[in-house]
Amino acid sequence: DQQVKQNSPSLSVQEGRISILNCDYTNSMFDYFLWYKKYPAEGPTFLISISSIKDKNEDGRFTVFLNKSAKHLSLHIVPSQPGDSAVYFCAASGSYGGSQGNLIFGKGTKLSVKP
Amino acid sequence: DADVTQTPRNRITKTGKRIMLECSQTKGHDRMYWYRQDPGLGLRLIYYSFDVKDINKGEISDGYSVSRQAQAKFSLSLESAIPNQTALYFCATSPKSTDTQYFGPGTRLTVL
Repeated sequence: DQQVKQNSPSLSVQEGRISILNCDYTNSMFDYFLWYKKYPAEGPTFLISISSIKDKNEDGRFTVFLNKSAKHLSLHIVPSQPGDSAVYFCAASGSYGGSQGNLIFGKGTKLSVKP
Repeated sequence: DADVTQTPRNRITKTGKRIMLECSQTKGHDRMYWYRQDPGLGLRLIYYSFDVKDINKGEISDGYSVSRQAQAKFSLSLESAIPNQTALYFCATSPKSTDTQYFGPGTRLTVL
């Protein structure tokens, strides 16, 4: 059963507009959440993270929002640029059992930003 | 220079062959991981190592083995490759202080 879900396989946005990528999780023991960006033929690159004690974290054009009661997080990119076109992975981790330090990844959302 | 390197970057092999994928890091991180990515399936953990003497199975370890030769080196072996092991393989590292992982560029493996 998927613990981290990205229900939108793809998203298309116009340059300059906001991109919103969504992620849902099922395990209430997760306490750290990350977003990675992946270009073709490259490894995933860490983008931004958030701890469960916060509900928002901002880094330049990128903001991650966490809604613990809904078990939902989102990544906002404002303004979107063509160079943001990539696959975005949501990941989660928690200090429970033997899984401490391990990341559980969603299946990814492919973002296309059109000029 | 890249902090996490993987060799080879591409490999085509035949069913039944033994294959080793290598990962090296200059980040000084204690923890290292191996993942595979299949189309539409995200990244799945194969093995992980929290230090040189600590090796653990991940979600999909069957058919794979690993060796942590040093803090900086973590190798993944396919003892007898099969076609459904065709995938992208990624190595990652993380320090003890955070769960943030840093990935290598990947190895594209094709098993015919």
